[in-house]
Amino acid sequence: GDSVTQMEGPVTLSEEAFLTINCTYTATGYPSLFWYVQYPGEGLQLLLKATKADDKGSNKGFEATYRKETTSFHLEKGSVQVSDSAVYFCALKKANFGNEKLTFGTGTRLTIIP
Amino acid sequence: EPEVTQTPSHQVTQMGQEVILRCVPISNHLYFYWYRQILGQKVEFLVSFYNNEISEKSEIFDDQFSVERPDGSNFTLKIRSTKLEDSAMYFCASSVGLATNEKLFFGSGTQLSVL
Repeated sequence: GDSVTQMEGPVTLSEEAFLTINCTYTATGYPSLFWYVQYPGEGLQLLLKATKADDKGSNKGFEATYRKETTSFHLEKGSVQVSDSAVYFCALKKANFGNEKLTFGTGTRLTIIP
Repeated sequence: EPEVTQTPSHQVTQMGQEVILRCVPISNHLYFYWYRQILGQKVEFLVSFYNNEISEKSEIFDDQFSVERPDGSNFTLKIRSTKLEDSAMYFCASSVGLATNEKLFFGSGTQLSVL
């Protein structure tokens, strides 16, 4: 079945460091890919998405490119801030109606130290 | 931004007891979901609900689980006879539509502990 594999956490970085959180997927067909973020005490929020190969999703300085050849959707940010401390979830969704579910990875906890 | 609200934030129960987890989805949304995350594991899909019926469910969602939209605003998940392995964070979500790139809005979760 479909699956998402994320980089194991936790990840601890200093402020202004470069961030990469790896995500690879296994799926038949052409899924859409997502990154969700969960800040402390809050629900999961959509951070960015990409719906087809070579699309780049971006938001709040974060970027991820849909790479079909490597089945990857790695999350990157050039200079992290303390406020980026959260749990990040990679997810996929199949491109057909009647199949609404998101398939998530385990989540990666990110802590940014001032 | 509108929010999905879940109550309670923490629920402790004895094995074998029934629990009801409550969610208030965003008011103009039509599709409703429950997901759960056992500590250290992936966030797993349980069930989706549309037009007052289940539209998809996972193999986890067995006869011990049920969902209901009793009054047009609340969306509940009932576990009839809880087991230790039901201990998890349960997330409710809602969306306007079903498109592939549709954004799901999630609540902050209910942490269920079964003793």
